[in-house]
Amino acid sequence: QVQLLQSGTEMKKPGASVKISCKASGYTFTNFGMHWVRQAPGQRLEWMGRIDGGSGVTQYSQKFQGGVTITRDTFANTVYMELSSLRSEDTAVYYCVRGCSGGSCYWVFGYWGQGTLVTVSS
Amino acid sequence: EIVMTQSPDTLSLSPGERATLSCRASQSVSSSYLVWYQQKRGQAPRLLIYGASSRATGVPDRFSGSGSGTDFTLTISRLEPEDFAVYSCQQYGNLPITFGQGTRLEIK
Repeated sequence: QVQLLQSGTEMKKPGASVKISCKASGYTFTNFGMHWVRQAPGQRLEWMGRIDGGSGVTQYSQKFQGGVTITRDTFANTVYMELSSLRSEDTAVYYCVRGCSGGSCYWVFGYWGQGTLVTVSS
Repeated sequence: EIVMTQSPDTLSLSPGERATLSCRASQSVSSSYLVWYQQKRGQAPRLLIYGASSRATGVPDRFSGSGSGTDFTLTISRLEPEDFAVYSCQQYGNLPITFGQGTRLEIK
């Protein structure tokens, strides 16, 4: 079965960077893209960006362009999301999520990691 | 970007009652590319409905979705105790994909 296992809780100071991992199992990694979605306390979910599992091509929400980098390691079946120049507003739970392999359902998130809490505080 | 607005923010009902949750888009959602998720405290969201009206695998048939254009509805025909949670909609017709703020369904 599809599983997405994320790295653990992070506490960072403003201005620092954080890199979260998401290890995928239960499917052919290179056949599917992976997205990152975050949820700040009491706020709505926000799509941050995605990476194609095969080609490595990335696409970012304009809001996060320049501040987020998504990469993948096909040998480790792992996707990474690095967020730089952290601010208190970046305090949130970050999820890696997966849809289907193509077509419109690429954006329908049927599989979610367990979430990684990132707290940014001085 | 398309702004998704859900109503009400909180809905208080009793088990056995019918729940009707609304999601409105700031502009028409292409091809009814609308999703509903359920999220319980401390958990990741769970996919319920996609394409506005198609139930995801394993979702009970008391959950149904409808709507098109800018107005969408999630209906839970007869509430079970495990249905009390936060429900969010998401449009995937235009990038960036965007989510509603959520409706909290609480026990009355």
